Amino acid sequence: DVHLVESGGGVARPGGSLRLSCAASGFNFDDYGMSWVRQVPGKGLEWVSDVNWNGGSTGYAESVKGRFTISRDNTKNSLYLQMNSLRAEDTAFYYCARVVGGRLVRNSYFDFWGQGTLVTVSS
Amino acid sequence: SYVLTQPPSVSVAPGKTARIPCGGNNIGSKTVHWYQQKPGQAPVLVIDSNSDRPSGIPQRFSGSNSGNTATLTISRVEVGDEADYYCQVWDTTSEYVFGSGTKVTVL
Repeated sequence: DVHLVESGGGVARPGGSLRLSCAASGFNFDDYGMSWVRQVPGKGLEWVSDVNWNGGSTGYAESVKGRFTISRDNTKNSLYLQMNSLRAEDTAFYYCARVVGGRLVRNSYFDFWGQGTLVTVSS
Repeated sequence: SYVLTQPPSVSVAPGKTARIPCGGNNIGSKTVHWYQQKPGQAPVLVIDSNSDRPSGIPQRFSGSNSGNTATLTISRVEVGDEADYYCQVWDTTSEYVFGSGTKVTVL
């Protein structure tokens, strides 16, 4: 079974940093692109970032570009999201998701999701 | 950027059919995917590639896409189908785009 487990969420001050991790199991991690999707509590889903199978290609939503960095370590079956210069509007649940299709593939979607980790940005 | 429009809510009686629209400019030229999210849980893929059901998803769930509207149809609705439903497409400028979500209430 595919399992994605996020960690690293918590409370950060505005302007601060957090690093999220996602541990993957149950599939060949380096066969898939991976992504982060976030959700403000009680609101809708927003794509944040994605990375191709080997980490060589990444993409970001405009709202996080220049502040967040996605990366992966295929030797550890892990996905990461380094979040810098955090803002109150970054407060959300952050989900790790497996991508079917891949970076810049027009029909891509998410077939498995983790349970999410909550990031709260507050002074 | 590409925008997907969904009604905030849809109500349906048990055993009836729920239809959840997802509107977008010429969305019929794109491929639409649907996710179900129950309270306190992660999203679950219920329809991919307009009308394909992933393994484990009941046949009661179906999808269609044409013109400016894609539709998720839930037949013989059960209380357990109460959830938020999101459509999603991939767009060349915005990459992954989600609809605003529709809350399905079973009366």
